[in-house]
Amino acid sequence: GESVGLHLPTLSVQEGDNSIINCAYSNSASDYFIWYKQESGKGPQFIIDIRSNMDKRQGQRVTVLLNKTVKHLSLQIAATQPGDSAVYFCAESQGGGADGLTFGKGTHLIIQP
Amino acid sequence: DSGVTQTPKHLITATGQRVTLRCSPRSGDLSVYWYQQSLDQGLQFLIQYYNGEERAKGNILERFSAQQFPDLHSELNLSSLELGDSALYFCASSTGQGESAFFGQGTRLTVV
Repeated sequence: GESVGLHLPTLSVQEGDNSIINCAYSNSASDYFIWYKQESGKGPQFIIDIRSNMDKRQGQRVTVLLNKTVKHLSLQIAATQPGDSAVYFCAESQGGGADGLTFGKGTHLIIQP
Repeated sequence: DSGVTQTPKHLITATGQRVTLRCSPRSGDLSVYWYQQSLDQGLQFLIQYYNGEERAKGNILERFSAQQFPDLHSELNLSSLELGDSALYFCASSTGQGESAFFGQGTRLTVV
């Protein structure tokens, strides 16, 4: 991603393994959460979202878990592929939509062959 | 392809100059958001427009301004450019009705 220079957490996983990327948020009023994937030289790409009335949501090969008690969000990617290499951002907002989205610093996911 | 189009993709300009970045939102989206992504600041929200009106302001400098036109495309104007303004500038759009935002591919601005 384009965040080289930031102290980005890095997660290195073997191809085919499952990946879990974590995100902590601080605003207890946040009620809408999104995971974005950003590949080098590209814009953030929507992966999956979840609202605060849910604690789990599944997509294709991805699952988002929300723990409001400890203000924690995670993204699980099943059977990681080389194309999953990217920087992953969590974002949060209040009011249920994209207004006021605040982004986390991102996690760099590296897939080892 | 997110459906959000940004032009130009790359821009190199000198300090003190002014540039205009353009964004066409996804068809049907009324909200446009501008973000700045620099090496040391991550993704920072600048400003949001909804159906032609300014809806929210973030960390936008006074040297920067934006507008959204009747056809819903938006422009971000950056003036009196400084070296520190070098960054990626992203536009995103949403319906503005509680849905997610989808991002364009960005404009990479280099100020020399």
